Amino acid sequence: DAGVIQSPRHEVTEMGQEVTLRCKPISGHNSLFWYRQTMMRGLELLIYFNNNVPIDDSGMPEDRFSAKMPNASFSTLKIQPSEPRDSAVYFCASSLFGSDTEAFFGQGTRLTVV
Amino acid sequence: QQQVKQSPQSLIVQKGGIPIINCAYENTAFDYFPWYQQFPGKGPALLIAIRPDVSEKKEGRFTISFNKSAKQFSLHIMDSQPGDSATYFCAAYTGTASKLTFGTGTRLQVTL
Repeated sequence: DAGVIQSPRHEVTEMGQEVTLRCKPISGHNSLFWYRQTMMRGLELLIYFNNNVPIDDSGMPEDRFSAKMPNASFSTLKIQPSEPRDSAVYFCASSLFGSDTEAFFGQGTRLTVV
Repeated sequence: QQQVKQSPQSLIVQKGGIPIINCAYENTAFDYFPWYQQFPGKGPALLIAIRPDVSEKKEGRFTISFNKSAKQFSLHIMDSQPGDSATYFCAAYTGTASKLTFGTGTRLQVTL
């Protein structure tokens, strides 16, 4: 298995533009997490899904952020409109729901909003 | 609200030293406590984990000590090496909700 795959690896966009980050979880995993990592705030859980259903989106900073998981093998995190303070590394992770197994992380997407 | 508090923020030790990273939590619903290691440009990767019914777990040079009554746990790295230089995150997992909450991270540097 190739692990959790995120795209793009790097994204530079202008303030006000829409940004879409993509994630393909590990096949068979039924929990998916989106995290944001910054120097100031560390790793923050934005939202997570179990069996494609959003369970907790309390970490989503504001309405400009939205996430979808249309099927078990794909998820998106969208920011519209983007702002410079959204600049961060965004990680997607997947795991088996209900087990104590590890969450496997993707390589992350480094987003820079100028 | 930060549910998992981690300290120190950064740590420098000499090769062969024993860095210790501490974490504390409040939520008694947490039932699994993993530690993650992150190298620059990579995502976090599981290093070692412990359940609250165990007071210590050792894997190679890495040891977790767990104090359930104090709601604290710590990571010890024996005979640390320059290759251990990374950022370490403690985390707490709620099995019923399948939710992983991270500490703020400790940047470890092991010098020669």
